[in-house]
Amino acid sequence: AQTVTQSQPEMSVQEAETVTLSCTYDTSESDYYLFWYKQPPSRQMILVIRQEAYKQQNATENRFSVNFQKAAKSFSLKISDSQLGDAAMYFCAYGKGGGADGLTFGKGTHLIIQP
Amino acid sequence: KAGVTQTPRYLIKTRGQQVTLSCSPISGHRSVSWYQQTPGQGLQFLFEYFSETQRNKGNFPGRFSGRQFSNSRSEMNVSTLELGDSALYLCASSLQGLFSDEQFFGPGTRLTVL
Repeated sequence: AQTVTQSQPEMSVQEAETVTLSCTYDTSESDYYLFWYKQPPSRQMILVIRQEAYKQQNATENRFSVNFQKAAKSFSLKISDSQLGDAAMYFCAYGKGGGADGLTFGKGTHLIIQP
Repeated sequence: KAGVTQTPRYLIKTRGQQVTLSCSPISGHRSVSWYQQTPGQGLQFLFEYFSETQRNKGNFPGRFSGRQFSNSRSEMNVSTLELGDSALYLCASSLQGLFSDEQFFGPGTRLTVL
């Protein structure tokens, strides 16, 4: 069974600084997707960024980028120029290609932005 | 375009009762997935419905069931409620249920079992 591990329960960063959230996963599949989701307090889960396993190029979305190390099964999220609105729980998730078994989520990292 | 909606947003039940939660996906989305979120276990996949058929199922007891209607709206039912069923129940919709599609989450239904 696939597992997703986020080793940092909480991270704190100064506004405008850069922070990296860690995620490792375990799978024997070759076709899969990795995701970072953001869940602000009392608000909906939203997709931050997605990475297809077959793509070597790291995904980027504006201030958000990932470092995808397939051999090491590592998928970290870098947030540049942190903003107060980035404060939230961040979940790393794994999805098997084809959509079977739903998403497997890590336990989450609570990101605090210090003004 | 309207997002994913879930009703009710909050629910209080007692042990032994049953409950039905509803999820309306984004228009045109045919896949609806359900997740349970608790502080202890985190987010766990319950099941996925596509075109009125349960296509995938997580590791939950048979007390948890669901269905999907022809308009893609989905309901989740939990029978014989236990204290441990207290959780935030999230649904997510996507076009085909593939992870190449983006999954959009609803705001969740907060269930409290007393």
